[in-house]
Amino acid sequence: DGGITQSPKYLFRKEGQNVTLSCEQNLNHDAMYWYRQDPGQGLRLIYYSQIVNDFQKGDIAEGYSVSREKKESFPLTVTSAQKNPTAFYLCASKVIGPRQPQHFGDGTRLSIL
Amino acid sequence: AQTVTQSQPEMSVQEAETVTLSCTYDTSESDYYLFWYKQPPSRQMILVIRQEAYKQQNATENRFSVNFQKAAKSFSLKISDSQLGDAAMYFCAYTGNAGNMLTFGGGTRLMVKP
Repeated sequence: DGGITQSPKYLFRKEGQNVTLSCEQNLNHDAMYWYRQDPGQGLRLIYYSQIVNDFQKGDIAEGYSVSREKKESFPLTVTSAQKNPTAFYLCASKVIGPRQPQHFGDGTRLSIL
Repeated sequence: AQTVTQSQPEMSVQEAETVTLSCTYDTSESDYYLFWYKQPPSRQMILVIRQEAYKQQNATENRFSVNFQKAAKSFSLKISDSQLGDAAMYFCAYTGNAGNMLTFGGGTRLMVKP
């Protein structure tokens, strides 16, 4: 079945440590996205990519980095510069075009140890 | 910048009744697209319904329908014959004609009472 796979489901970060969240899709979608969701709040865009080897910052990119070396993969690194990383992270992908909806993965819950 | 506002943090409805969730948005574009997403306790985001701004007819998907008022920049979601499985967070979202980013509202938590 086609879909978006995020791993791990739960992740713990120590102070000063970088961690990487994985997002893989087999939907052949060109565009991929990373969102952060804090408790009881909506989704805020961190980064997005519409083509391999290119990506753009969203509203809250500081303290995060991404890469897009393959169409299927869009990993997100939460760096030590992100001082409040505890949140739920959602990855999404879509076909290029405004009418096309975003399809979401099941998310990763990141917590500070 | 576009903004999306959901003014009802929480709503409740009796099973089998009808409920309407509100959403307003601000944009200077004439062509755009609006979406409602559902996020159940499992946290996965599920598309409920979408509306193209150029279409005057309101979108409908089974028990879900929208009331799209372009001049008022309003996009409400009506859920008919509410079911226990409808209990979730509902998010309204906007994308412009370029379609490369979604802007989400803050969400409305819907509780369904048996």
